[in-house]
Amino acid sequence: EVQLVESGGGLVEPGGSLRLSCVASGFSFGNYAMNWVRQSPGKGLEWVSVISGTGGSAYYTDSVEGRFAISRDNSQNTLYLQMNNLTVDDSAIYYCAGFTYFEYWGQGALVTVSS
Amino acid sequence: EIVLTQSPATLSLSPGERATLSCRASQSVTNYLAWYQQKPGQAPRLLIYDASKRATGIPPRFSGSGSGTDFTLTISSLEPEDFAVYYCQQRRRAFGQGTRVDFK
Repeated sequence: EVQLVESGGGLVEPGGSLRLSCVASGFSFGNYAMNWVRQSPGKGLEWVSVISGTGGSAYYTDSVEGRFAISRDNSQNTLYLQMNNLTVDDSAIYYCAGFTYFEYWGQGALVTVSS
Repeated sequence: EIVLTQSPATLSLSPGERATLSCRASQSVTNYLAWYQQKPGQAPRLLIYDASKRATGIPPRFSGSGSGTDFTLTISSLEPEDFAVYYCQQRRRAFGQGTRVDFK
């Protein structure tokens, strides 16, 4: 059974940092690109970032470029999202997702940015 | 940047009716278009990829069509569990704003 389990969400003040983790099981994690997708309360889905299977390439949506960093540890089947200089607009549920398309999704990690 | 526009924003239908959802891209995405279903409190579920291929376990009442800039998701006969929000996505990147299918 495929599982993606996110952790690391929480409450942080504007300007603060958080690191999300996503542990994968049930498939050959290192063979597939992985993504972060977020969803603000009551809003639609927003693609945030993608990293290749090897970790050699990564891409970001414009609004997080330079503030967020995606990475992965294939030996630990784990995907990361380092989020710096957070703003209230970054408040959302963050999902890890991937496989050939986005067949697999985690349950989401809630990030709240508030003073 | 490719922008996806979904229409209508809300579709009010009854069980057994046919649902037709549209997704238009601001420039060609060839056939790199996916559709997802999301229910309250749940992660999205992949329905269709490459514009017309059903994902594993998706019932045949769901079908996708289109290429280039205009795409359609059709639910041939709505089941009660199909009332949800549907998103299109281009090239494994940006999503449309969603279409809500709710009970008439």
